[in-house]
Amino acid sequence: QKEVEQNSGPLSVPEGAIASLNCTYSDRGSQSFFWYRQYSGKSPELIMSIYSNGDKEDGRFTAQLNKASQYVSLLIRDSQPSDSATYLCAVISGSARQLTFGSGTQLTVLP
Amino acid sequence: SQTIHQWPATLVQPVGSPLSLECTVEGTSNPNLYWYRQAAGRGLQLLFYSIGIDQISSEVPQNLSASRPQDRQFILSSKKLLLSDSGFYLCAWSLSVSTNEQFFGPGTRLTVL
Repeated sequence: QKEVEQNSGPLSVPEGAIASLNCTYSDRGSQSFFWYRQYSGKSPELIMSIYSNGDKEDGRFTAQLNKASQYVSLLIRDSQPSDSATYLCAVISGSARQLTFGSGTQLTVLP
Repeated sequence: SQTIHQWPATLVQPVGSPLSLECTVEGTSNPNLYWYRQAAGRGLQLLFYSIGIDQISSEVPQNLSASRPQDRQFILSSKKLLLSDSGFYLCAWSLSVSTNEQFFGPGTRLTVL
């Protein structure tokens, strides 16, 4: 079982819709969770961090964490074509406190 | 504000040649520093991390090595490149051990022929 799993996609949504990206993790002791956005050919950019159960909103982005279900998600409201990218879920797990990344979900927002 | 630089941006090297990639961070002191590799269509693999000068931890045994000669400088090296070393090499930094938010540099795209 992979430590951090994401649907690889591709996920396509129309402009203006809500895009929902999901991630599950295997280490029940994980404490910190991150979403990165990576445009094609570019480096990952940190867009959201979440540390406690519930929702965290930042502009059009909402991160949701459910530690009991070992599940973290990212919602993008009013999706724009500029949101088209690969979204990477990352989790700090284990005593080494290092980030473990999922393989990413490719999102395409159709104009 | 903090900035992170990597060079070169792209590199094409023959199999068996040496490698040196450099990463520097500005605007902060005593950062944690990381080297990742992203192979085509795959996730990020942590190669090395460092919590201070000359303090390097290796995550994956391979023909690569890392050094940190100065507080804000991190170097990735190889004596003899393999075809499998091709990929997108990313340097990242973080400050807080408790939150460990990591910020990436622009990356070096390495092609080994």
